[in-house]
Amino acid sequence: EADIYQTPRYLVIGTGKKITLECSQTMGHDKMYWYQQDPGMELHLIHYSYGVNSTEKGDLSSESTVSRIRTEHFPLTLESARPSHTSQYLCASQPDLQGNTEAFFGQGTRLTVV
Amino acid sequence: AQTVTQSQPEMSVQEAETVTLSCTYDTSESDYYLFWYKQPPSRQMILVIRQEAYKQQNATENRFSVNFQKAAKSFSLKISDSQLGDAAMYFCAYRSRLGGAGSYQLTFGKGTKLSVIP
Repeated sequence: EADIYQTPRYLVIGTGKKITLECSQTMGHDKMYWYQQDPGMELHLIHYSYGVNSTEKGDLSSESTVSRIRTEHFPLTLESARPSHTSQYLCASQPDLQGNTEAFFGQGTRLTVV
Repeated sequence: AQTVTQSQPEMSVQEAETVTLSCTYDTSESDYYLFWYKQPPSRQMILVIRQEAYKQQNATENRFSVNFQKAAKSFSLKISDSQLGDAAMYFCAYRSRLGGAGSYQLTFGKGTKLSVIP
C-alpha cells in the first residue's frame, strides 16, 4: 500500500466545532489533493497543492481551508463544522507533474457533523 | 470541461466469470490519460489500470484489461476470472496531459459497485 496516511479515519463532531483533518505522505511527492466524496457518488476536488506554500481551490466549492508548510503534510481545516460538511474526505498525492503517473490515495476520513 | 460517465451504478458477476464495466468521457483534448481505480469497502483507493490516449494498444494488467475506443470516447474495463476480492467500487477517471494550473487533477465518474457472487 502507498505511504499516505489520513487521521482520523472516523470523526463525529458537533456543529460549530473547529476540526482539522490530517494527511501525511512519506513519498516526497510535490502534488497533493483533497477530494470530497459523498456515499455512492464520485469524488470532487476541493483543494490541491503543487508544493510548499502552494494551495489552490478545486472545482467544488468548499468552506474548508488547507495549508502546505511542509512537503509531507497537507491538513484540511473546517473553522465551524456544519451538518452539510458530513462526507468522506480523501487525500491523495502524486509524484510527478508530467508523465503518466498515478495518484496515491489515503484511506479517507469519514466526517459526521451532528 | 471534461466529464466522465459511468452508466452502471451496480453490477454483479459470478465468481470465475468475466464482467465489463463501462465508461465514457467527453473532452476536446487529444492527449490525456485514463484510469480505472478500485475502492474496496473501508480501504484505500488503488489504481487498477491506466491508458495513455496516444497509445492505440489496449492496456492489460493480469486479469484486468481495457477496451479503449478513442473516437467513441469509450474506456471500458474487463475483469476476467472474477474473484471475491474484486468486489469494490470502481471509478473511471480522466486526467489532462496539458500543462497549466489545475490540469493535473483527476475527473472521476460516479462509480460502479461490483459484487462478486460465490
